[in-house]
Amino acid sequence: SQQGEEDPQALSIQEGENATMNCSYKTSINNLQWYRQNSGRGLVHLILIRSNEREKHSGRLRVTLDTSKKSSSLLITASRAADTASYFCAPRNTGKLIFGQGTTLQVKP
Amino acid sequence: NAGVTQTPKFRVLKTGQSMTLLCAQDMNHEYMYWYRQDPGMGLRLIHYSVGEGTTAKGEVPDGYNVSRLKKQNFLLGLESAAPSQTSVYFCASGGSDRSSGANVLTFGAGSRLTVL
Repeated sequence: SQQGEEDPQALSIQEGENATMNCSYKTSINNLQWYRQNSGRGLVHLILIRSNEREKHSGRLRVTLDTSKKSSSLLITASRAADTASYFCAPRNTGKLIFGQGTTLQVKP
Repeated sequence: NAGVTQTPKFRVLKTGQSMTLLCAQDMNHEYMYWYRQDPGMGLRLIHYSVGEGTTAKGEVPDGYNVSRLKKQNFLLGLESAAPSQTSVYFCASGGSDRSSGANVLTFGAGSRLTVL
């Protein structure tokens, strides 16, 4: 299956702490993408990492990719209440993008 | 530049009725997708299209049909609605990410469908 599986399913932290969520997948990929969904809204693309990259940064986001373990992690540093959302990973090697159930992050003020 | 627009935003149907959800994008994207999301769940891919005139099945295609007659539009049809199709439906289009050049998705705001 091309689907990514996020772990943990739910995460609750205090504002200012770092949040780490993980993604595992089973097939070979061209890239892996992370998306955020605020309650009731459509998903928003956050960051993409290619299969030949090991780490990528964008603002407070840091993504790592280990293709030998077929896993990725998303780190959000210095979290804010506005980061409260669900986060989804999507491994990609074809035209379709299949999402897992996501990690629900709650950041308490 | 509207991005991805879905209509209608809300709809209530009776079992057995038919309806069409419209997705329109103004970004000249080749790829378009229809997903459904049930409460507390992730997104499941219904159908997708890699270009005008093409469609392909996703994870949960049964009970749905799609058409991509024009590049900018992707229609999702329910021929005979069932209560199990009560869900929030999201359309997305796929285009090049500015930083990586890879294909990333832009989502619409969703269409909430209730089948009684």
